[in-house]
Amino acid sequence: DVKVTQSSRYLVKRTGEKVFLECVQDMDHENMFWYRQDPGLGLRLIYFSYDVKMKEKGDIPEGYSVSREKKERFSLILESASTNQTSMYLCASTGRGLGSWTGNQPQHFGDGTRLSIL
Amino acid sequence: AQSVSQHNHHVILSEAASLELGCNYSYGGTVNLFWYVQYPGQHLQLLLKYFSGDPLVKGIKGFEAEFIKSKFSFNLRKPSVQWSDTAEYFCAVMRSSNTGKLIFGQGTTLQVKP
Repeated sequence: DVKVTQSSRYLVKRTGEKVFLECVQDMDHENMFWYRQDPGLGLRLIYFSYDVKMKEKGDIPEGYSVSREKKERFSLILESASTNQTSMYLCASTGRGLGSWTGNQPQHFGDGTRLSIL
Repeated sequence: AQSVSQHNHHVILSEAASLELGCNYSYGGTVNLFWYVQYPGQHLQLLLKYFSGDPLVKGIKGFEAEFIKSKFSFNLRKPSVQWSDTAEYFCAVMRSSNTGKLIFGQGTTLQVKP
């Protein structure tokens, strides 16, 4: 069965800290994603990666960066945490499917990290 | 810009009532459509998906959705809800591309009263 593991379920950090959120998938998926989930806003894409060392900005990348040094691991970095980054963060992955087309591959999600910035 | 709109933000039903959650999207090209569900304390999981073919798709736990291209809609339905259906439901659209990017709706919280 597909497994996406996020390193922490709950995290509390202070304003200005550098925060690392880790995500590991065991399905050899090419594509990985970071979202934040806020009430009334649904899920919004922060960054995604379609291959090792490849990344692309999503809809709300400001204040975040990512790292993908290995295929199975995708890290989200809050360079200098701020209170408006308090949120639920979700990682997801998907395979590329046949012919390098991902359109018919559903995303698989981790349990989420609830991050509080004080 | 591409967007997905879920009309109902919070729905309260009694057990055995019928359910319909609305979803509309703005993109005019070829799309793949999804409904995800998030039960309390659990991760998002796929409820059903539409890629092509029969516009009426059936998913897990008795859910179904109908793709109406002319209305840019993909509404979720269930004839008779159960208390265990209490969850948050998300509609999502993927443009046919090789990146797998999803655009999510705002989500609908469904509360089923026993």
